[in-house]
Amino acid sequence: DTGVSQNPRHKITKRGQNVTFRCDPISEHNRLYWYRQTLGQGPEFLTYFQNEAQLEKSRLLSDRFSAERPKGSFSTLEIQRTEQGDSAMYLCASSPTGFPEAFFGQGTRLTVV
Amino acid sequence: AQSVTQLDSHVSVSEGTPVLLRCNYSSSYSPSLFWYVQHPNKGLQLLLKYTSAATLVKGINGFEAEFKKSETSFHLTKPSAHMSDAAEYFCVVSDWDSNYQLIWGAGTKLIIKP
Repeated sequence: DTGVSQNPRHKITKRGQNVTFRCDPISEHNRLYWYRQTLGQGPEFLTYFQNEAQLEKSRLLSDRFSAERPKGSFSTLEIQRTEQGDSAMYLCASSPTGFPEAFFGQGTRLTVV
Repeated sequence: AQSVTQLDSHVSVSEGTPVLLRCNYSSSYSPSLFWYVQHPNKGLQLLLKYTSAATLVKGINGFEAEFKKSETSFHLTKPSAHMSDAAEYFCVVSDWDSNYQLIWGAGTKLIIKP
């Protein structure tokens, strides 16, 4: 399977715990995006990388959210001190530079209890 | 600033009848436009895209969309609905002003009646 891969697919955590999600983009895609999607809504942009450089992070929802792409390949999204309002689907997408469309993974569904 | 308006939050059609999902956009520059589909508990799949070539764009599963600059519209159509088309559909715009980030509509839920 050469699509965007996200792990885990589902995560249940207790409020206050930290969680980390992983995204493996399509090979050779330079751009990688993170989105959040809540029930009945469209995806909400969080951040994106061009190779290992994080070019936009002002949309991260709070300082509890952080993302990395250390070697320009896979990326991680971490949420510290989770809150119930963080419960959502977290989507990763990738694209080659110069291509406007993005290809999405299946998402990680986070439930904070 | 870019924006996307999907004019219907829900559209219900009978199987075998035509589908029309409406989308209007605003963009300061020559936009790229997309339709994505999301089936329940699934990821987002690209249906079709417009990137300044032919204004009538054909996508997967028999869907097509027409870019009308004068009307700032990019409506999605399909001649004959199938039960498997039931899903959420998102219209998306991207342009230079947004640094080619995707700006999403709120989505239209397509319901197919047997």
